[in-house]
Amino acid sequence: EVQLVQSGAEVKKPGESLKISCQGSGYSFTGYWIVWVRQMPGKGLEWMGIVFPGDSETTYNPSFQGQVIISADKSVSTAYLQWSSLRASDTAMYYCARQARYSKSSDVLDYWGQGTLVTVSS
Amino acid sequence: IQMTQSPSSLSASVGDRVTITCRASQSISNSLNWYQQKPGKAPKLLIFDAFSLQSGVPSRFSGSGSGTGFTLTITSLQPEDFATYYCQQTYITPNTFGQGTKLDIK
Repeated sequence: EVQLVQSGAEVKKPGESLKISCQGSGYSFTGYWIVWVRQMPGKGLEWMGIVFPGDSETTYNPSFQGQVIISADKSVSTAYLQWSSLRASDTAMYYCARQARYSKSSDVLDYWGQGTLVTVSS
Repeated sequence: IQMTQSPSSLSASVGDRVTITCRASQSISNSLNWYQQKPGKAPKLLIFDAFSLQSGVPSRFSGSGSGTGFTLTITSLQPEDFATYYCQQTYITPNTFGQGTKLDIK
């Protein structure tokens, strides 16, 4: 069974650093891209960036470039999303999802983690 | 690429037929997915390639369109269909989502 299990909820202060994780199991972790998606309270889905655990190739949404770092460690089948200095505006639910190629024109997010709620407040 | 959904919210009754529209700011061929999200849950893939039904998704869900205009149709709404629906283009990175359409019970 394919599973993506994310790390638990975090409460942080502005300026603090944070690294959240997403561990995959039940499939070849190095063969699929992992996407990170932000959902701010009461808002829609935002595609943040993507990492290929096989070689750690990463692409960012320009809106998030420089604000976060996306990485992966294939030895532990885990992808990461990290911040060096959190802001209150980073308060959101963060999801990881597996991206699979279903056809030559279609990449889909077919399995999702349960989400990690990050709260940044002084 | 900007993705614009309409309406932003919609009220309907069990048994109704509803249609949600998604428009892309430029042509994306048929690289369009639809997701359903229920409160407190991760999104779930419904349709890919604009019209292909994901395995296990009921046939009352259907998608159509290509280029810049797409629709998601749900025939005979069931109680479990009341949720928020998002389109997503996968033609160009970043693979942007629409702003969502919240479907609630009338």
